[in-house]
Amino acid sequence: DGGITQSPKYLFRKEGQNVTLSCEQNLNHDAMYWYRQDPGQGLRLIYYSQIVNDFQKGDIAEGYSVSREKKESFPLTVTSAQKNPTAFYLCASSISRLAGGRNEQFFGPGTRLTVL
Amino acid sequence: SQELEQSPQSLIVQEGKNLTINCTSSKTLYGLYWYKQKYGEGLIFLMMLQKGGEEKSHEKITAKLDEKKQQSSLHITASQPSHAGIYLCGARNTGTASKLTFGTGTRLQVTL
Repeated sequence: DGGITQSPKYLFRKEGQNVTLSCEQNLNHDAMYWYRQDPGQGLRLIYYSQIVNDFQKGDIAEGYSVSREKKESFPLTVTSAQKNPTAFYLCASSISRLAGGRNEQFFGPGTRLTVL
Repeated sequence: SQELEQSPQSLIVQEGKNLTINCTSSKTLYGLYWYKQKYGEGLIFLMMLQKGGEEKSHEKITAKLDEKKQQSSLHITASQPSHAGIYLCGARNTGTASKLTFGTGTRLQVTL
């Protein structure tokens, strides 16, 4: 079955520690995205990648880093510089980096990060 | 950047009743996506609208995009408990890029 997987589903981190969230897709999609969701604030874009070895900052990139070494994988690192990292993190992918056609984003099940 | 305003923020309806959720932008919507989310889960794609005046339906859910392409509505007919969840609209920022800006969501509860 094709889809997007995120791991782990729940993650606990001590303050001051970096943590990496995994996102893998087998849909052969070019573009991948990371969002953060807080109660009452909808989804906010952290980083996105339109093609392998390239990525751009979204609206709230401070305190986060990403890499895109393989088409299938787009891991997100939450660093100790992120002041309020407790949130629900969602990864998504779309077939193309360009608009045109339906080109909807497919979402993973999410990772809930809690900083203790 | 584009901002999307959704209304209402939350909605409680009795099973069998109709309801409408709105999504409004201050800028032209190049592509408007509707998603549904169960609490603590990922988003499920519902429909995408692109042309002014466009209307699409899937089962008991109908989405419309106004002629000016600045407002979209999602209408559910004869609501069922399975319709409960959070509905989010997302829009392309430009006509050439695939990234989306999302509204804050509408939480729908359906009572028996």
